[in-house]
Amino acid sequence: EPEVTQTPSHQVTQMGQEVILRCVPISNHLYFYWYRQILGQKVEFLVSFYNNEISEKSEIFDDQFSVERPDGSNFTLKIRSTKLEDSAMYFCASSVWRGNTEAFFGQGTRLTVV
Amino acid sequence: AQTVTQSQPEMSVQEAETVTLSCTYDTSESDYYLFWYKQPPSRQMILVIRQEAYKQQNATENRFSVNFQKAAKSFSLKISDSQLGDAAMYFCAYVNAGGTSYGKLTFGQGTILTVHP
Repeated sequence: EPEVTQTPSHQVTQMGQEVILRCVPISNHLYFYWYRQILGQKVEFLVSFYNNEISEKSEIFDDQFSVERPDGSNFTLKIRSTKLEDSAMYFCASSVWRGNTEAFFGQGTRLTVV
Repeated sequence: AQTVTQSQPEMSVQEAETVTLSCTYDTSESDYYLFWYKQPPSRQMILVIRQEAYKQQNATENRFSVNFQKAAKSFSLKISDSQLGDAAMYFCAYVNAGGTSYGKLTFGQGTILTVHP
């Protein structure tokens, strides 16, 4: 069964450092997403991406965040200068189409900022 | 903006019994989809069941079924014959079927389900 793959599973970084979280969506999917879940809290939408551009972003997704699909298979989330409050689980998801089809989630990357 | 509310932070059930998790939502849209996702301790997000708002018939998937009340904006999940493997955090989620929200899922706060042997 096809799946969304995220790497690394766990990343520890120093405050102020840049991190790149990587995702390989399911190959025939057209829409890609990043979500964040701070420990013990609900899952929050960060950004959606379609046709090589951002479709929608939340207020959390400020100038410190960027997304890219550099080579047609990977989908990355970059945080330029990490803060302690960026510590969270980051989920990548993809779907064939928007809205009416299932979004498949990766297993998540646990980001710890120290 | 849409909101999703799960008013039960925690629920528990005896193995083989039935439990219902509650979810309410608020939207001005008429065409949308609702989901229940399961998040076990591994923190993987697993789709449990999906409901299309235009369908009156409640969705079922094996031991999982929903009670969808569109007018009341209520979407509860019933788990029958509960198993130890059902223990997890359950999230209710909403997505617009059209408009400018490109597949953005809005999640509730989650309900932790404990299954007692």
